[in-house]
Amino acid sequence: EAGVAQSPRYKIIEKRQSVAFWCNPISGHATLYWYQQILGQGPKLLIQFQNNGVVDDSQLPKDRFSAERLKGVDSTLKIQPAKLEDSAVYLCASNPRGQGATGELFFGEGSRLTVL
Amino acid sequence: AQSVTQLDSHVSVSEGTPVLLRCNYSSSYSPSLFWYVQHPNKGLQLLLKYTSAATLVKGINGFEAEFKKSETSFHLTKPSAHMSDAAEYFCVVSWIKAAGNKLTFGGGTRVLVKP
Repeated sequence: EAGVAQSPRYKIIEKRQSVAFWCNPISGHATLYWYQQILGQGPKLLIQFQNNGVVDDSQLPKDRFSAERLKGVDSTLKIQPAKLEDSAVYLCASNPRGQGATGELFFGEGSRLTVL
Repeated sequence: AQSVTQLDSHVSVSEGTPVLLRCNYSSSYSPSLFWYVQHPNKGLQLLLKYTSAATLVKGINGFEAEFKKSETSFHLTKPSAHMSDAAEYFCVVSWIKAAGNKLTFGGGTRVLVKP
């Protein structure tokens, strides 16, 4: 079974530029999450999708961050314009929904963003 | 509200000695609890999970954790540390809502293994 795919793995940009990250979850997983992990901290949820609908974006800085999951499969997270404090690893995770779901998340390897 | 506290931000052990990573949680629901490991430049990997079955949970690579409801703890242990155990470990509390699983991560414990 293929895992969660993310790209790019690494990205370096200057502040005020834009960047986009892509995630393809495990096939059949209805729930998709984007997390932000700043160096030395635990992951913080940015947005959670159930199929193609947003169920939690309370911690997404909506003035600069946006995310979509148009067909309920892959997802894109965009930052525009980027700030220095956005330097972090952006983790995508997915999870099957239903009675068999235990809450375990399956993570991609992350996209590391450096903002100069 | 749900929260997770990992009591040690760093733990240093010698190879071959026991490892103890402490985790306390707070949850209004019956939680599921997880430990994840993250090696440098890698994604998070599940070590083990508690989902209201046996309170002593065995995971991969010789790790185990015990759910103690009275102490609201879910400490992770391993009898004998290996160099490959050097990584960051996250305790996670999860609960299921109609809209899907909600997770809260602890701040992480970085483990250093000395030869």
